[in-house]
Amino acid sequence: DGGITQSPKYLFRKEGQNVTLSCEQNLNHDAMYWYRQDPGQGLRLIYYSQIVNDFQKGDIAEGYSVSREKKESFPLTVTSAQKNPTAFYLCASSWTGGGKNIQYFGAGTRLSVL
Amino acid sequence: AQKVTQAQTEISVVEKEDVTLDCVYETRDTTYYLFWYKQPPSGELVFLIRRNSFDEQNEISGRYSWNFQKSTSSFNFTITASQVVDSAVYFCALSEAGSNYQLIWGAGTKLIIKP
Repeated sequence: DGGITQSPKYLFRKEGQNVTLSCEQNLNHDAMYWYRQDPGQGLRLIYYSQIVNDFQKGDIAEGYSVSREKKESFPLTVTSAQKNPTAFYLCASSWTGGGKNIQYFGAGTRLSVL
Repeated sequence: AQKVTQAQTEISVVEKEDVTLDCVYETRDTTYYLFWYKQPPSGELVFLIRRNSFDEQNEISGRYSWNFQKSTSSFNFTITASQVVDSAVYFCALSEAGSNYQLIWGAGTKLIIKP
């Protein structure tokens, strides 16, 4: 089945620790995205990538880092610089271009601070 | 400036009632797309519909229908004969040619269907 897989489903971070959220897609999509969702809020874009080895900051990139070494994978690292990381993180992918820009989402990762 | 406005924060109706979720957008582009997504309690966002700016035809899919009106910059979503399984948060979103088709999200409307 084609889709987007995020892991883990739940993640706990200790103070001063970096943690990495995994996102893998087998839809052959060019673009991938990371969003943050706080309780009762909408989605905010953290980073996105439209091609391998290239990515751009979204609206709230501070305290986060990403890499795009493979088309299928777009891991997100929440660094110790992110002082309020507790949130629901969603990964999405899409084709690029206006006519193909439907974003499809993974099931999400819930990150909490211990 | 907010480009996608979902003024209804939460709506609660009894099962089998019809309900309309409002979405108002703002754009200067002539080429743009509008979307609706559903987020059930599990959290995963589910794509429902995309409309491009050149197609103002209304769309019906089962109990779901969408009314796109450029004159009022609105893209409203109606659920007919609502069911408990429709309970979710619904997001409206906009993508514009001028923003490289990145999605601009509304704040979402939480829909509660009571049995």
